[in-house]
Amino acid sequence: SQKIEQNSEALNIQEGKTATLTCNYTNYSPAYLQWYRQDPGRGPVFLLLIRENEKEKRKERLKVTFDTTLKQSLFHITASQPTDSATYLCALATGGGNKLTFGTGTQLKVEL
Amino acid sequence: DVKVTQSSRYLVKRTGEKVFLECVQDMDHENMFWYRQDPGLGLRLIYFSYDVKMKEKGDIPEGYSVSREKKERFSLILESASTNQTSMYLCASSLPSGLTDTQYFGPGTRLTVL
Repeated sequence: SQKIEQNSEALNIQEGKTATLTCNYTNYSPAYLQWYRQDPGRGPVFLLLIRENEKEKRKERLKVTFDTTLKQSLFHITASQPTDSATYLCALATGGGNKLTFGTGTQLKVEL
Repeated sequence: DVKVTQSSRYLVKRTGEKVFLECVQDMDHENMFWYRQDPGLGLRLIYFSYDVKMKEKGDIPEGYSVSREKKERFSLILESASTNQTSMYLCASSLPSGLTDTQYFGPGTRLTVL
């Protein structure tokens, strides 16, 4: 079955810097990969979807890359702000039928 | 905007009780999901449903059942609650595959079983 690895250690960065989070998967390359944001005590919120034929996707200060050779996606937040502090989850389609497998997430803390 | 609501934000139950968690979505989505989320384990799929009266087991269905009598409502049932079912429960909905598989989540129910 598909296994997803995200860095379990929190990432601490200073305001204004670029945060880069990593998502690695182990088996077959999915047709697409998604990134979600989760705040404490809340449900995840969808941020971006990138398809296997797309190398890069951008949305405002967010950028996602997808390298099917490395089996890796990188999630960047440029000009980070304290309000970007949250846990970020990546998710892959698995088994067909809309099921997603989620990584355990990486906690990002943006400090003043 | 898609709205997914869950019946309770916090719930405390006793071991052996039957527990119902309700989820309602207002965007006419075919697919609905129930997950539990525990520290270090991430989101784990319990059950999902493609359509009314249809259900399929996820990765950890033991101790749970579900009901989907109406398209907008998906219920998770703990037949006899146990302490190891203390967790955050999250409901989600999505459109059918081929369109977009983005899942829209509810706010979660934090269940404590004593």
